[in-house]
Amino acid sequence: SQQGEEDPQALSIQEGENATMNCSYKTSINNLQWYRQNSGRGLVHLILIRSNEREKHSGRLRVTLDTSKKSSSLLITASRAADTASYFCATESNAGNMLTFGGGTRLMVKP
Amino acid sequence: KAGVTQTPRYLIKTRGQQVTLSCSPISGHRSVSWYQQTPGQGLQFLFEYFSETQRNKGNFPGRFSGRQFSNSRSEMNVSTLELGDSALYLCASSLTGGVGGELFFGEGSRLTVL
Repeated sequence: SQQGEEDPQALSIQEGENATMNCSYKTSINNLQWYRQNSGRGLVHLILIRSNEREKHSGRLRVTLDTSKKSSSLLITASRAADTASYFCATESNAGNMLTFGGGTRLMVKP
Repeated sequence: KAGVTQTPRYLIKTRGQQVTLSCSPISGHRSVSWYQQTPGQGLQFLFEYFSETQRNKGNFPGRFSGRQFSNSRSEMNVSTLELGDSALYLCASSLTGGVGGELFFGEGSRLTVL
């Protein structure tokens, strides 16, 4: 079963705009990770935020984590057509060794 | 450094058959985990192996099994295939599989069951 829900399920924006995706989860976590998947391909790790962190940046990516609300958001600034992909959040518990994925957000960036 | 390699990339089977999928992790990575991705259920954890031992298993029937060899390569097997087993099967490797580690995914094996 999936740990959480992602919102929105699909997002269409113009190049240069910002894209925000949200993720909610149900149980306590050690960390939350975001992955990207191009159509039918493997997943690529984007960023990891630990449960004791509130915000993290990597290039054009900004991730926030609110453990009291069991939610996270991924912001992609100044989006590019090449950012078109599905984005998944995944949580890892203290037991480790496995990730529980959300349902994903399909992002389309129009040139 | 070569990435995670999965073979075959595509395969078609019929109900009742069995299938074996292979995964070669990144050199030096000792943890290999498997995930099933379907449109209906999304990404679901199957199992994780470290040093030839299964450390964790997802909620899948016994028809799904796996193993890891001494060189860290891993195989998963699905017996008595059902239509619902049609999916993209993704393998991921990491150095230790410990908490907080980044997973490196292969391109997947797309299984179609007719």
